[in-house]
Amino acid sequence: ETGVTQSPTHLIKTRGQQVTLRCSSQSGHNTVSWYQQALGQGPQFIFQYYREEENGRGNFPPRFSGLQFPNYSSELNVNALELDDSALYLCASSESDARDTQYFGPGTRLTVL
Amino acid sequence: QKEVEQNSGPLSVPEGAIASLNCTYSDRGSQSFFWYRQYSGKSPELIMSIYSNGDKEDGRFTAQLNKASQYVSLLIRDSQPSDSATYLCAVNPNAGKSTFGDGTTLTVKP
Repeated sequence: ETGVTQSPTHLIKTRGQQVTLRCSSQSGHNTVSWYQQALGQGPQFIFQYYREEENGRGNFPPRFSGLQFPNYSSELNVNALELDDSALYLCASSESDARDTQYFGPGTRLTVL
Repeated sequence: QKEVEQNSGPLSVPEGAIASLNCTYSDRGSQSFFWYRQYSGKSPELIMSIYSNGDKEDGRFTAQLNKASQYVSLLIRDSQPSDSATYLCAVNPNAGKSTFGDGTTLTVKP
């Protein structure tokens, strides 16, 4: 157990809908990163939040957005869902230093029909 | 060229053998290197981290880093069927913003 939780576990949406995924970071970790993992691929970095501010973004469109709250929880929002958004969404918490280990949550499996 | 490259496999070894997993990366500014194990349908779990050139051993696992060659490897000694999984190499140019390879699938046959 990493101490990082995510909800929901599974989610089915239809194309064009909006979705919010939630993550609760490990206590004391002020950095949360979100990743998208398509089937057969490695996780791809979506963005990172540090002390409630976005701190870097991968190659994802603006319809992917996020929030981080003072209580170590965070959200990933995806608008106008597309079929290709079907993936495992992972959040990972860490301290801010580059050497610090990321601890992954169990993930949310999103299916877009 | 991908930023982090791994042989996709599958890599198959007999029980008790040494499994060797390799990874190359393109960003010379990378500071931290990680190996994760991922079972099907589960999230990645950290096996090893390495920051300096050379070898780092932890139980049956040894990570090797060569920054000049931009190469990192993972050796698994005395492989067990429970080691069968996908192994992900991750590189951190910046804090927490890991770039992952697509993983190598390892099968350990009893």
